[in-house]
Amino acid sequence: NAGVTQTPKFQVLKTGQSMTLQCAQDMNHEYMSWYRQDPGMGLRLIHYSVGAGITDQGEVPNGYNVSRSTTEDFPLRLLSAAPSQTSVYFCASNRDSGSGANVLTFGAGSRLTVL
Amino acid sequence: AQKITQTQPGMFVQEKEAVTLDCTYDTSDQSYGLFWYKQPSSGEMIFLIYQGSYDEQNATEGRYSLNFQKARKSANLVISASQLGDSAMYFCAMRRYSSASKIIFGSGTRLSIRP
Repeated sequence: NAGVTQTPKFQVLKTGQSMTLQCAQDMNHEYMSWYRQDPGMGLRLIHYSVGAGITDQGEVPNGYNVSRSTTEDFPLRLLSAAPSQTSVYFCASNRDSGSGANVLTFGAGSRLTVL
Repeated sequence: AQKITQTQPGMFVQEKEAVTLDCTYDTSDQSYGLFWYKQPSSGEMIFLIYQGSYDEQNATEGRYSLNFQKARKSANLVISASQLGDSAMYFCAMRRYSSASKIIFGSGTRLSIRP
């Protein structure tokens, strides 16, 4: 199994450009999330989804859009990139284990630089 | 609102010594779960250990144990007999049982093991 696959791994954008970070999982997990990681800030939750067609905002949703049309895919869209969105982005998925230990499986990360 | 606080940005420990990484959390929920993840310099996120708020025993996984003090709202990670390979970033995370998919993280502690 591939687990969680993120593309691209690296991307450089100019201010104002748009792009989509792709995320796909093949574990049939119902939950998917996007995080950004910045030095000294840890991982901050951007958006998350509890299933196809259902998304919700996390801690830092501004400037990002998501949709979830299938269980497998959860793309993250930047409509007008800003230098403040320079970061490493992680997609993650998990499922309700029943025990509470809904362990996240992470993608390898996408490093985005906005000039 | 939930919040995770890790007050140690960086720590240096001698090889083979035990080390405690601090984590405090804030939630008004009675049912929640706490996680620790490790991020080596390669960047991947590795799950280490989980503790449920109703678990009576502190969680243990090999050299990792979680010192859970519910009244103090702390969930410290203890690594016994540290090894050079333990050098990494460590993140504490929390989820509320009422929101299975929403997991938030602290700012992390960078642990460096001295030979």
